Amino acid sequence: DTEVTQTPKHLVMGMTNKKSLKCEQHMGHRAMYWYKQKAKKPPELMFVYSYEKLSINESVPSRFSPECPNSSLLNLHLHALQPEDSALYLCASSQEVMGRQPQHFGDGTRLSIL
Amino acid sequence: GDSVTQMEGPVTLSEEAFLTINCTYTATGYPSLFWYVQYPGEGLQLLLKATKADDKGSNKGFEATYRKETTSFHLEKGSVQVSDSAVYFCALSMNTGFQKLVFGTGTRLLVSP
Repeated sequence: DTEVTQTPKHLVMGMTNKKSLKCEQHMGHRAMYWYKQKAKKPPELMFVYSYEKLSINESVPSRFSPECPNSSLLNLHLHALQPEDSALYLCASSQEVMGRQPQHFGDGTRLSIL
Repeated sequence: GDSVTQMEGPVTLSEEAFLTINCTYTATGYPSLFWYVQYPGEGLQLLLKATKADDKGSNKGFEATYRKETTSFHLEKGSVQVSDSAVYFCALSMNTGFQKLVFGTGTRLLVSP
């Protein structure tokens, strides 16, 4: 069983909708990540939070808006998405952003944009 | 920049066959190395890791040894099962600075009964 929980598992939305993806971990990790994964490709990093502050934004379009309300929760707010944004969105966490500890992934949210 | 190269897939094996998935890396320093597995419809699971040269990571019958001289971290299993069918990603992260994961392209393994 994964220790990083993501909801919902599946999401279908129109291009004008606003929705949010949620991620939760209770491992006491202080670093949390959002990734985007297209079919048959490795995950691509989108955002990194360290101690609840945004550390890295990999030039992600503003229609994706991350939020870290506390050390256990990570949200990704979606607005005015495009069909090419359809993908599997993965959340991950690690002890710290520095060092040798591995990242632990959730099962992802499969997003389809109509 | 840092990079990971994996063998092209799919790798197709019969049950109980020996598995090797090759992984080599390029890095300016001394990275930590990981194998992640992704089963159909799921996220990535950490399979094993090694943080320094000559370390051997092992889990669920899978093994990989960190070889600095050949910059490799090949994944092996002595006897695969149908349930091992999945996509396997080799990845590295540097031990200093921000721990960004650099992934290989992934290798799909198909095991038939």
